[in-house]
Amino acid sequence: EAQVTQNPRYLITVTGKKLTVTCSQNMNHEYMSWYRQDPGLGLRQIYYSMNVEVTDKGDVPEGYKVSRKEKRNFPLILESPSPNQTSLYFCASSFRVLGELFFGEGSRLTVL
Amino acid sequence: DAKTTQPPSMDCAEGRAANLPCNHSTISGNEYVYWYRQIHSQGPQYIIHGLKNNETNEMASLIITEDRKSSTLILPHATLRDTAVYYCIVRVAGANSGYALNFGKGTSLLVTP
Repeated sequence: EAQVTQNPRYLITVTGKKLTVTCSQNMNHEYMSWYRQDPGLGLRQIYYSMNVEVTDKGDVPEGYKVSRKEKRNFPLILESPSPNQTSLYFCASSFRVLGELFFGEGSRLTVL
Repeated sequence: DAKTTQPPSMDCAEGRAANLPCNHSTISGNEYVYWYRQIHSQGPQYIIHGLKNNETNEMASLIITEDRKSSTLILPHATLRDTAVYYCIVRVAGANSGYALNFGKGTSLLVTP
């Protein structure tokens, strides 16, 4: 089944404790991206990747890092999480830029 | 990217057609119209997209006016499972754009029995 898989789905952590949210897709998509969703602010793009080893900042990259060492994986790294990074995170991928964007089920992160 | 305007909420009776409007009066010639929906807090789901011709797939139809300033998403026989927030997005891929989709606030569609 074609899917985008995120882990963990839920996480409560404390300020400053590094964490990684993994994202994996099984559709051989070149394009992958991360969004965060906050009440009243909608979905905002954090980082995106056009292909392996090619990443770039989205609209809200501060406090986040990403890597794309393999085509299927695009982890989101929070080196030193802060409470303002409490949010619902979505990973997405697509075969081509103007095509259908497939989203994962989301990862709800709470930073205390 | 062109800004879109959608009504904040709509109701539709189960089994009837749901017609969701979207205004994008500043759309430019190379911008596509996309529709996604989000059921509760699940990941958004792609529905359909088009440039200037009407489009239809197994989920919905997209009607784009001739001047491309507005469009309508049609769910021909709405079911309770179609209750969701529907996002109309206008987007062109560009070198400095990040290929991000601007989801805006969307239309909250409630399908009632």
